[in-house]
Amino acid sequence: SQQGEEDPQALSIQEGENATMNCSYKTSINNLQWYRQNSGRGLVHLILIRSNEREKHSGRLRVTLDTSKKSSSLLITASRAADTASYFCATDAGGGSEKLVFGKGTKLTVNP
Amino acid sequence: NAGVTQTPKFQVLKTGQSMTLQCAQDMNHEYMSWYRQDPGMGLRLIHYSVGAGITDQGEVPNGYNVSRSTTEDFPLRLLSAAPSQTSVYFCASSYSSDRGHTEAFFGQGTRLTVV
Repeated sequence: SQQGEEDPQALSIQEGENATMNCSYKTSINNLQWYRQNSGRGLVHLILIRSNEREKHSGRLRVTLDTSKKSSSLLITASRAADTASYFCATDAGGGSEKLVFGKGTKLTVNP
Repeated sequence: NAGVTQTPKFQVLKTGQSMTLQCAQDMNHEYMSWYRQDPGMGLRLIHYSVGAGITDQGEVPNGYNVSRSTTEDFPLRLLSAAPSQTSVYFCASSYSSDRGHTEAFFGQGTRLTVV
């Protein structure tokens, strides 16, 4: 089964609002990553957070990681219509496994 | 620097036909992988490789074969296509170490329809 599960499955907000997406995973990890996918395109890397980090920022993105709860959140501040996309978290499967596995994603719609 | 190149972009197969999806990367990444993406299912790992000559199964390997004869190339073979293999396929590559994976780079995808 997939390692990560994003929540919510879909999110619709107005431009200028903040968008928060969550990811829960099952086993211990080395890193957690967030990716973005525009409709019909490949995935693009957004940010990587290591297991010994708790928070990371990149532009309008803020990622937190709580290894005790096996969860992460992605916050997009001051959203724009161009942020409309699907967002996925990805983790090493842990336990010595080398696999990189993805969740089912959150579909974000930002309305102008 | 081309990154990850995946071909073809679109393919229609008849049930029972075989084909190979090509994937090449020019970043000298050890780790390469194939995923399929179906509506509502996210990306599911089919097969992966941690280096030339080494491959392993992912979550949904049945009906697919892979090989890794060079660092650059990681082809995915459909042995006998079935309608259940209709999907969008993505190839990806990244560095992998005991500290985990770095940023993965994706190809543009192959939209496969099996009729």
